[in-house]
Amino acid sequence: DQQVKQNSPSLSVQEGRISILNCDYTNSMFDYFLWYKKYPAEGPTFLISISSIKDKNEDGRFTVFLNKSAKHLSLHIVPSQPGDSAVYFCAAVGGADGLTFGKGTHLIIQP
Amino acid sequence: EAGVVQSPRYKIIEKKQPVAFWCNPISGHNTLYWYRQNLGQGPELLIRYENEEAVDDSQLPKDRFSAERLKGVDSTLKIQPAELGDSAVYLCASSLVVVAGGFDEQFFGPGTRLTVL
Repeated sequence: DQQVKQNSPSLSVQEGRISILNCDYTNSMFDYFLWYKKYPAEGPTFLISISSIKDKNEDGRFTVFLNKSAKHLSLHIVPSQPGDSAVYFCAAVGGADGLTFGKGTHLIIQP
Repeated sequence: EAGVVQSPRYKIIEKKQPVAFWCNPISGHNTLYWYRQNLGQGPELLIRYENEEAVDDSQLPKDRFSAERLKGVDSTLKIQPAELGDSAVYLCASSLVVVAGGFDEQFFGPGTRLTVL
């Protein structure tokens, strides 16, 4: 059973608009949530994280929102740029464990 | 500063053959992870080391997979014998320290893409 779910395999957004990527989780023991970005033939790179005690974290064009009661988080990218085209993985961690990843969402920014 | 280094980048073998992957973490990072990423999936943790000790290997298929991290720096992941279902990207990651109740960013290498024919 998947503990971290990304239900949209792909998302297409026009350049300059807002991209919203969604993620749901089932394990209430997770205490950190992260977003990783992955280009083809490269390893995932860390983008932004949020602690379970917060509901929002912002870093430049990237904002992550956490709704603990709904076990849902989202990544907002605004404005979207062509270089944002990549696969985005939602991940979660509890305690000192390794990361549990979702399947990823392929974001395509259209000019 | 150099990132996580993995080799080889690509490997093609026939089933039942052995294969080994090598990882050199970022200097000073005491925690090292091996993940496997199947096509269309997210990475899945295989094993986690703190220094030279494997502290979580519950997801490592121990009948054919083995790993070691001698001297707490470089690590090797081995599959013997390989099966068709082992075709995947094997990712290595490292982090500076893992503190109970805390989190430290994991830095990933580029991965080794294994194809088993």
